[in-house]
Amino acid sequence: NAGVTQTPKFRILKIGQSMTLQCAQDMNHNYMYWYRQDPGMGLKLIYYSVGAGITDKGEVPNGYNVSRSTTEDFPLRLELAAPSQTSVYFCASTKTRDSHEQYFGPGTRLTVT
Amino acid sequence: AQSVTQPDIHITVSEGASLELRCNYSYGATPYLFWYVQSPGQGLQLLLKYFSGDTLVQGIKGFEAEFKRSQSSFNLRKPSVHWSDAAEYFCAVVPSGGYNKLIFGAGTRLAVHP
Repeated sequence: NAGVTQTPKFRILKIGQSMTLQCAQDMNHNYMYWYRQDPGMGLKLIYYSVGAGITDKGEVPNGYNVSRSTTEDFPLRLELAAPSQTSVYFCASTKTRDSHEQYFGPGTRLTVT
Repeated sequence: AQSVTQPDIHITVSEGASLELRCNYSYGATPYLFWYVQSPGQGLQLLLKYFSGDTLVQGIKGFEAEFKRSQSSFNLRKPSVHWSDAAEYFCAVVPSGGYNKLIFGAGTRLAVHP
């Protein structure tokens, strides 16, 4: 199993550009999450999904969108990139609501200039 | 307000010395408790977790943590630190009924001197 994979590893965007951060897991996990990590801060939840077709906002959803058309994939969309979205983005997954242990991807480092 | 607090931003210890990283939480009911480690440029790895039962839990890499309900704390310990333990450590909680949504502390960066 590859676990949780994220692409790209690094990306530089100009202000106003759009991009999609990809996340995939091959563990048949129902729950998936997107976090951002700013310097000196813990991770903050952006969006999460409890299954295909079901998504909900986390703590910091503004400026982002998600979709969950399959169990395996959970892409994160930035429509109009802003410098405040410069961060490291982590995707995570867990099997069920009672599983609790989340498995994290390696992260995507995004810079918006 | 509900929160997770890690009071120490940076800690430096000598190799072979003991280590304790502090974590306090502020929630009405006892949440599920976790410690994660993040090596430079890497994702997060689970060290240990507490759901219920024995308040002293053992994790990977020789780490342990003790849950103290009276102090709302879940401190991480290691009796003898190795240079490879240098990393950032995050305490996290899942509030009861929280759909596994992790709430993270700000992290403690550990440096190890030879």
